[in-house]
Amino acid sequence: GQNIDQPTEMTATEGAIVQINCTYQTSGFNGLFWYQQHAGEAPTFLSYNVLDGLEEKGRFSSFLSRSKGYSYLLLKELQMKDSASYLCAVSLSSGSARQLTFGSGTQLTVLP
Amino acid sequence: DVKVTQSSRYLVKRTGEKVFLECVQDMDHENMFWYRQDPGLGLRLIYFSYDVKMKEKGDIPEGYSVSREKKERFSLILESASTNQTSMYLCAIFSGGGYTFGSGTRLTVV
Repeated sequence: GQNIDQPTEMTATEGAIVQINCTYQTSGFNGLFWYQQHAGEAPTFLSYNVLDGLEEKGRFSSFLSRSKGYSYLLLKELQMKDSASYLCAVSLSSGSARQLTFGSGTQLTVLP
Repeated sequence: DVKVTQSSRYLVKRTGEKVFLECVQDMDHENMFWYRQDPGLGLRLIYFSYDVKMKEKGDIPEGYSVSREKKERFSLILESASTNQTSMYLCAIFSGGGYTFGSGTRLTVV
């Protein structure tokens, strides 16, 4: 079966740095995605890692270790608008179509 | 950029009704997906399709069916709505590196 774990909730202060971890155990792996979802809205794409290492995109970075089944999303210089749910999702290589399996999401609250 | 449109943002239906949720994309993408999202459970895959008239069950297909008669349209059908199908429903297409989602339909079954 597929198992993706991430913390349910995190709180951080405006201007700080926060790291959201994700561990996965899946049969077949074709990359890992991070999405941001504000309350009542659809998820939006943040990052994609298929090779080990760090991908940086502005204030957001994502890291992947395939051997450890581990990823993290790093958010720097936190802003109030970063308060949202962050979803870790694994792309599976098996099946007729490219599928994503999602973790339950981490609700991040940024405090002033 | 690809656009994924779900016809209704909010729906309220009665128990036992047949419910249709529509999803339309404006590009020629083959892979389309229906998820439901519930607090604490995340997004769970209901059905997906990789071509016209092709469909495959996801993780929680019970109580649902789908239709894909044209490439741009993928419909989710609740054969006989029940209160435990009250949820947020999200349609997605796979393009480039990942998913593009529709804006979602919040369905309440009373």
